[in-house]
Amino acid sequence: DGGITQSPKYLFRKEGQNVTLSCEQNLNHDAMYWYRQDPGQGLRLIYYSQIVNDFQKGDIAEGYSVSREKKESFPLTVTSAQKNPTAFYLCASSHRGGNTIYFGEGSWLTVV
Amino acid sequence: AQRVTQPEKLLSVFKGAPVELKCNYSYSGSPELFWYVQYSRQRLQLLLRHISRESIKGFTADLNKGETSFHLKKPFAQEEDSAMYYCALSDTSGTYKYIFGTGTRLKVLA
Repeated sequence: DGGITQSPKYLFRKEGQNVTLSCEQNLNHDAMYWYRQDPGQGLRLIYYSQIVNDFQKGDIAEGYSVSREKKESFPLTVTSAQKNPTAFYLCASSHRGGNTIYFGEGSWLTVV
Repeated sequence: AQRVTQPEKLLSVFKGAPVELKCNYSYSGSPELFWYVQYSRQRLQLLLRHISRESIKGFTADLNKGETSFHLKKPFAQEEDSAMYYCALSDTSGTYKYIFGTGTRLKVLA
């Protein structure tokens, strides 16, 4: 069953703790993306990667970090420096060059 | 600056009425434009892209470069069209990142 898998679906974190969201794809896509979805603000790009071992900051990268050690994996770490981390996080992937972008089901992060 | 603007947060129409979801963009080159849809409890998925010029589920969208618009239209709305719709632009200048609008929630009333 091909696609993008995000885990966990729901996550609770205490203030001051880092948390890592997993994203795996078996679509053989070169490019992967992390978005944050907040009500009324649409999708905002956190980080993106066009190729293994390379990634770029998006519009709201502060307080987040990523790695791209394998083509199929693009984990996102939400650090304690992120001031408002409670949100819905979406991972996506695509072939390079303006093709369709495919999304995972998302991860809900709540900071308590 | 690259930007996608969807001016309406919520659009309510009656079943059978025409629908137009507005999208305007700001981009210096030749963009690729898409409409994505998110039905309740489902993942975000592609509805259509301008380059394919398809009609999906009765929806069409025409790229108007003069007005920098890519409005989504359907002549007769159905209740199952109720969803969140996002207009998106793909940066073809080299970064290939996608820029999304803030979304429009469409409610089709019986």
